[in-house]
Amino acid sequence: QVQLVQSGAEVKKPGASVKVSCKASGYTFIGYFIYWVRQAPGQGLEWMGWINPANGDTNYAQKFQGRVTVTRDTSITTAYMELSGLRSDDTAVYYCARAGTISVLLDAFHIWGQGTMVTVSS
Amino acid sequence: EIVLTQSPGTLSLSPGERATLSCRASQSVSSSYLAWYQQKPGQAPRLLIYAASSRATGIPDRFSGSGSGTDFTLTISRLEPEDFAVYYCQQYESSPRTFGQGTKLEIK
Repeated sequence: QVQLVQSGAEVKKPGASVKVSCKASGYTFIGYFIYWVRQAPGQGLEWMGWINPANGDTNYAQKFQGRVTVTRDTSITTAYMELSGLRSDDTAVYYCARAGTISVLLDAFHIWGQGTMVTVSS
Repeated sequence: EIVLTQSPGTLSLSPGERATLSCRASQSVSSSYLAWYQQKPGQAPRLLIYAASSRATGIPDRFSGSGSGTDFTLTISRLEPEDFAVYYCQQYESSPRTFGQGTKLEIK
């Protein structure tokens, strides 16, 4: 079945970087855009950016410009989100999600990973 | 940036009742690029409705979406115990893809 499986929880110190992976299976990886969303404890959802796995094109929310990098490795059908310069307010669950329609950017997030908790603490 | 405002913040209802959740956009969301998600504690969000009124795969028909332009509604016709959760609307027309702040649907 179609699924996105994310890497495990991380604990990082302020100023460090974290790289979260999102392993896709059950579908043609390069066919569907992947998005990244985060959720701070007790808070709402915040969109971070997207990647087109077919060509590596990316787009990021202005809030994260310069700190976030989304990449993919098509050989292992995995997308990555790296966030640098971590601060305590980056403590959140980070989700990857997939579009529902092949090659469509303007799409809702039909499939979600299980989430990865990233804790930033000294 | 399109700001989405959901109301009410919390909705207290009983199983079997009808729930109506609202999402208002700060500017028109063209072509109804509006989605609704359900999130339960400790779980990832689940897509319920996309394109304002299309049910996602496997979503029961008691969930329906409507609206256009700046005003959108999610209706749950008869609440089941498993429907009590937090609901988010999202626009995916423009970047950043923004979400509403959420409506918590709680058991009365």
